[in-house]
Amino acid sequence: EVHLVESGGGLVKPGGSLRLSCAASGFNFRFYTMNWVRQAPGKGLEWVSSIAYSGVYIYYADSVKGRFTISRDNAQNSLYLQMNNLRAEDTATYYCTRDMVDTSMVAEFDSWGQGTLVTVSS
Amino acid sequence: EIVMTQSPATLSMSPGERATLSCRASQSVSSDLAWYQQKPGQAPRLLIYGASTRATGVPARFSGSGSGTEFTLIISSLQSEDFAIYYCQQYKDWPPLTFGGGTKVEIK
Repeated sequence: EVHLVESGGGLVKPGGSLRLSCAASGFNFRFYTMNWVRQAPGKGLEWVSSIAYSGVYIYYADSVKGRFTISRDNAQNSLYLQMNNLRAEDTATYYCTRDMVDTSMVAEFDSWGQGTLVTVSS
Repeated sequence: EIVMTQSPATLSMSPGERATLSCRASQSVSSDLAWYQQKPGQAPRLLIYGASTRATGVPARFSGSGSGTEFTLIISSLQSEDFAIYYCQQYKDWPPLTFGGGTKVEIK
């Protein structure tokens, strides 16, 4: 069974940094594109970033480009999101998601973690 | 950027009724469209991909249709566990990947 567990969320001041982690299990992590999707309190879903299974292709939403960095460690079955220069509008629950089809980058998210809450406030 | 618009924002229905949710794309996404269900306090769940293919384990009462710019999710007979928020998402032309604003299906 696919299992994704996010960690690293918390309260941070504007301008601060956080590093989110997602521990994956139950599937061959190295063959799957992984993503971060966030949801502000009471709001809808917003795609944040994707990293291809190969690690070669990386994409960001304009709202986080230049501030967030996605990475993966296939040996550790882990996905990361380094978030710098955080703003109040980054406050959200951050979900780690997996693409449904291996060795592709189709962006059908068939597995989601439970999410980790990031709150940016002074 | 492809803008996804869902309607209505809220659908008040009774159990057993048929629910029809709409999703419109600002430009053609072919059939590269997914539907997700989200219940309070839970992560979203993939229901439909490729506009009309049910994901693993999704009951047959959920059906998706459409292509191009107009899409529909139908729940043929609402069960108590179906009252939730539903999001559409396009993956035809990205980045960015874009979601609709959601339709909340609530108990009438």
